[in-house]
Formats: sequence, C-alpha cells, structure tokens
Amino acid sequence: SQKIEQNSEALNIQEGKTATLTCNYTNYSPAYLQWYRQDPGRGPVFLLLIRENEKEKRKERLKVTFDTTLKQSLFHITASQPADSATYLCAHPNSNSGYALNFGKGTSLLVTP
Amino acid sequence: DTGVSQDPRHKITKRGQNVTFRCDPISEHNRLYWYRQTLGQGPEFLTYFQNEAQLEKSRLLSDRFSAERPKGSFSTLEIQRTEQGDSAMYLCASSLEMNTEAFFGQGTRLTVV
Repeated sequence: SQKIEQNSEALNIQEGKTATLTCNYTNYSPAYLQWYRQDPGRGPVFLLLIRENEKEKRKERLKVTFDTTLKQSLFHITASQPADSATYLCAHPNSNSGYALNFGKGTSLLVTP
Repeated sequence: DTGVSQDPRHKITKRGQNVTFRCDPISEHNRLYWYRQTLGQGPEFLTYFQNEAQLEKSRLLSDRFSAERPKGSFSTLEIQRTEQGDSAMYLCASSLEMNTEAFFGQGTRLTVV
C-alpha cells in the first residue's frame, strides 16, 4: 500500500538557521507532491506544489526538492523565524483515487529566538 | 469571499446523537472535499464532490456518514448515531481544478462524550 512518511520527531532549531524537513514515499510514483503548513486548531494552508519533472521549486524563503529516484522530497525554510513554528504536512495524490490526497503525519517545527 | 468557511467550529455531543456540519467553499470552486484529522495524524480523505455530484467516498465513510452538496454550492456532512471514535477534526477543502492546491477551512472539532 502507498505510504508517505515524515520525520516523526519534532524539529527544534534556532532562529536564523535553515530548517530541513523530509518526506519519503513508497510503493508509488506520484505526479506531484504538495506541502502544507498547519497551525494548532486550524486547517492546513497550501505552501508549494512540485511536479515530478521539477527538481526544485522556490517561494520566498521556502524551497522544495523532489527526487524521484530516492522517492523523497525535502522542504527547506531559510533564515527561519519563530513565526515559522508550525506543523508541516507533505501530501501526494492517491493512486487509487482521482481526487484524494494522501497526507503524511506532519513534522512539528519549533524555531526558538 | 475570503476562503472556505465551516460551521460550527466546535461541537460536543453525546454518544448516539446525530450531528451535521456545514461547509461553504470558495464561490468559484466546483470541487469540494471532506477530510478527517485526529491528533498527531495527517488529514484522511472522506469524500469528494464535483459540483453537486458525489464522485468518490472513502471506505472510512461508514453508512453512518452522509454528505450532500445540493446545487453544487455549500456541503453538509452528517454523522448519525455518533460514537466516541468519531471524535476528530472534520476539514472541508475546495479547489478550482484537479491536481492543484486545495484551500482548507478551519475545521469543525467534534467531541463525542
């Protein structure tokens, strides 16, 4: 069955450093991956989508890579700020469904001043 | 229209009662999704509407669950004879096209006591 795995442990980093979050997937080759941010008690907010033919995508301080050989996506936040503290979710389309997204459990990021 | 709206934000109900949640998607979005999220997990797909047609239902959607989207506008999710295991955050999302970003509402937090 398809699996999508993210670092289960929380990531604590110091303000100004680069945060790197990992998303691994198995038993599937998705056409794209999406990254969302979720704050406690709120719905996910879309950040970036990267397609299988794109190696890297950037948006302001965010960068996502997609390695189809390793079956992995890396999500980077450069010059991190305490306001970046949140849970970050990785998602890909479900191969059995034309419409559903499969989400990972998310990685909690804490940026300390 | 500022985004996806869900109502209520919180619902506490006794086991065995019926509950209904409402979702108002972004007005020009014809695609609407329901997801369920429990603590420490990513959202899990429940069902999908394209306009008023319910095109997909997850096996998570037992016969106690029903969703509608009359006239292709707002949607309702009803849970009959609630069980404690139904306690979760119910998220609604909408999108303009397939395989693009999904816009999530703030969710309805259901607690079954």
